[in-house]
Order: sequence, then structure tokens, then C-alpha cells
Amino acid sequence: EAEVAQSPRYKITEKSQAVAFWCDPISGHATLYWYRQILGQGPELLVQFQDESVVDDSQLPKDRFSAERLKGVDSTLKIQPAELGDSAMYLCASSPGGAYGYTFGSGTRLTVV
Amino acid sequence: KQEVTQIPAALSVPEGENLVLNCSFTDSAIYNLQWFRQDPGKGLTSLLLIQSSQREQTSGRLNASLDKSSGRSTLYIAASQPGDSATYLCAVPGGTSGSRLTFGEGTQLTVNP
Repeated sequence: EAEVAQSPRYKITEKSQAVAFWCDPISGHATLYWYRQILGQGPELLVQFQDESVVDDSQLPKDRFSAERLKGVDSTLKIQPAELGDSAMYLCASSPGGAYGYTFGSGTRLTVV
Repeated sequence: KQEVTQIPAALSVPEGENLVLNCSFTDSAIYNLQWFRQDPGKGLTSLLLIQSSQREQTSGRLNASLDKSSGRSTLYIAASQPGDSATYLCAVPGGTSGSRLTFGEGTQLTVNP
């Protein structure tokens, strides 16, 4: 069964450092999402791509977060500088279209110390 | 703005019991609803996707129902097993892009042997 690949699985970084996460969606899925999940809460959308274009980044803290999907395939989410409050699970998902549901990756657990 | 509520927040049952998890949403103009399972520290695994035209969907011991008019969905788990212990999340698409998922905060299920 096709999977959404994410790396790294775990990341520990110091406050004020830069950190990056990578996601490779299921082949052929035009829509890619980055979600952030704080412990004990449901995931919340950070950014949505349709092919290489951002279609929703209203919840992305743009002063420190950036995301790109240059060739409309894999994607990178970056935080610079990281803050203690950024400690969370970062989840990537892809979909061929909302009516077909969403597939999530295994996530990256970020701890900022 | 779509809001999703899940009740109960936590549930502990003995092995073998049948159980029901509840999900409610405020905006009934959805085209589907998806149930996910999340093990501690892991990503989300899709369990069931119910289209708005369907009233229920079944997979093995799981059955999910959808009542759009009342803004409710239930996930029924038959003959629960310790391996069913996890957090269960429901999600509906919405938002300005029309496809961003809004999640509930989940029901943490513990099935005791």
C-alpha cells in the first residue's frame, strides 16, 4: 500500500536553531498538507499545497515558518528560529482530492530544548 | 468556522465490550467525514471514510455512521481488543480552500485485558 514518507522521525533541537522536515507524498497526489499536532490535541493545518502552489497558509506563522514544494512532488517545512512552543508532532498528508480522503505520514516529533 | 467535538475524551473498557465513540460538527455542509486512529507518538491511520451520500461504512469490527442533518457521526467498535487501544480522531473537510481537515481532539481508548 502506498505511503506518505516523512523524515526525520524524531528531532531534538535547541531554541533559536533552524530545523527542517521533509515529506514525500503518495505518487500522483496533487494536494499536500502540513499539520501540527500539540500533545493531547487534534492536528491543525499549517499549509496546503496544490501541486507547487500554496492554497492555504493562513495558520502558518510566517515570521519563522516556511514551506515549499518546488516541483510539485516532495515538500520541505522549515522553522527558523525554533522556539520552545514549537515542540509538537508535525504531520504531512496527501490526497488526490478531498472526496477521496487523506493519507498521513508517520510524522516528525520535534522537541525544542 | 467548522468546529468538531468528540465525546468522551477518554474511555476505558474491558476486553470484549462493544463501544461507541461520538463525533459532532457544527457545519453540516460537508462532503465526507473520516475517522483516524493514532497510536502514541505515531502518525494517523485512516480507518473509515464516509461520503455525505452514505449513512454508514463498515470495515471489519468497525462501523461508522453519518447523520449530516444533525451534525453527528459515531464509530462503533465491536468485541473490543487490547490492540484497539489508541486515540481515535474524526475529521471533516472545510475551510476557505474547501478541503482543509478540521479535527476533533480525539477519544483516548484503553481496552483492558
